[in-house]
Amino acid sequence: ETGVTQTPRHLVMGMTNKKSLKCEQHLGHNAMYWYKQSAKKPLELMFVYNFKEQTENNSVPSRFSPECPNSSHLFLHLHTLQPEDSALYLCASSQVGGVNTEAFFGQGTRLTVV
Amino acid sequence: DQQVKQNSPSLSVQEGRISILNCDYTNSMFDYFLWYKKYPAEGPTFLISISSIKDKNEDGRFTVFLNKSAKHLSLHIVPSQPGDSAVYFCAAPKPSGNTPLVFGKGTRLSVIA
Repeated sequence: ETGVTQTPRHLVMGMTNKKSLKCEQHLGHNAMYWYKQSAKKPLELMFVYNFKEQTENNSVPSRFSPECPNSSHLFLHLHTLQPEDSALYLCASSQVGGVNTEAFFGQGTRLTVV
Repeated sequence: DQQVKQNSPSLSVQEGRISILNCDYTNSMFDYFLWYKKYPAEGPTFLISISSIKDKNEDGRFTVFLNKSAKHLSLHIVPSQPGDSAVYFCAAPKPSGNTPLVFGKGTRLSVIA
């Protein structure tokens, strides 16, 4: 149990489908993140939420739509994805404003777009 | 622009020997560095960190060394064990004060029994 839970662990979706990834953190952190890991690429930061407010969007296509209803939950809504969006999507949380605190990651959702 | 670089994609080490994983960075504003370990199909887990006010931090079999003048850090694992086989990521928080991490591409360590 890492304190950050992601569901589902695996997802296969067609290019016309709409699906959502869910992340929940039980650590009392005030910041949450979505990262993407594609094959043979570094972890890429997608979105940052501090105190439920989106503070960073790293030029992510609009077919990815994040939602942060409260500081414990983070969603990533997916629609009309492309096969190249297949990747491991990782959620993380941290305590912003602390001293040298690390980010804690969930197990990830392995997404396959067919 | 990749600010954190791990130039060795893979490393094989015999069990019991030392593993040395290297990381270089370009942004002199980075003042805190982390190493994460990742098993297949799992999220990264925090391993060890070092602040720029130190040049060494040790935790059991794991030691991280920081050379600020060379903008280089390394993770030493000794003795290496088969369970250490994983991908190791070097990371640094963005200097803006927020903590989104910038990651290197990772190094896959294989410890051979």
